[in-house]
Amino acid sequence: DAGVIQSPRHEVTEMGQEVTLRCKPISGHDYLFWYRQTMMRGLELLIYFNNNVPIDDSGMPEDRFSAKMPNASFSTLKIQPSEPRDSAVYFCASSSRTSGSTDTQYFGPGTRLTVL
Amino acid sequence: DAKTTQPTSMDCAEGRAANLPCNHSTISGNEYVYWYRQIHSQGPQYIIHGLKNNETNEMASLIITEDRKSSTLILPHATLRDTAVYYCIVRVRNGVYKLSFGAGTTVTVRA
Repeated sequence: DAGVIQSPRHEVTEMGQEVTLRCKPISGHDYLFWYRQTMMRGLELLIYFNNNVPIDDSGMPEDRFSAKMPNASFSTLKIQPSEPRDSAVYFCASSSRTSGSTDTQYFGPGTRLTVL
Repeated sequence: DAKTTQPTSMDCAEGRAANLPCNHSTISGNEYVYWYRQIHSQGPQYIIHGLKNNETNEMASLIITEDRKSSTLILPHATLRDTAVYYCIVRVRNGVYKLSFGAGTTVTVRA
């Protein structure tokens, strides 16, 4: 299994530009999560999906952030317009709650975003 | 989810056992103890979890006290690759899906 795949691994952009982060969850997993990690705030959950449907987006910082999951194998996190304070490492994770699962989350390698 | 308390940092000698404590005095009866770790520049990685019995897998052992108010993660033979931040998380299995990562314990394994 390839694990959770994220792209790009690094993104440098200028303030005001649109940024799109991509995630491919582990095949067969029915939950997908987006996290953000900064030195100041640590690891924070932004939003999570179950069977492609957003369940809890209370962690999304503001309307500039949006997330979609058009199918079971792909999700995007978009920031428009981006601001320097959005600079962080963004992680995608997936999980399965089928019978017998350990209810654990498997994280991708992250996307390091720098907004100048 | 119950709050956890971990030491900020600890050192360990390579080849020796590393014992990482976690206090969770307000844990509820249906809450599990989960451990994750994050190696520098990587995503968090699941290690082990348990409810009340001691657990062991290929990565580590988890010892939970009888009153469940504290636990210890044991890395039996620490290697340099075990240097990471270790997070102790208490949550209801199959409950609300928020993993609350605190500051964790920064473990440095020294040669």
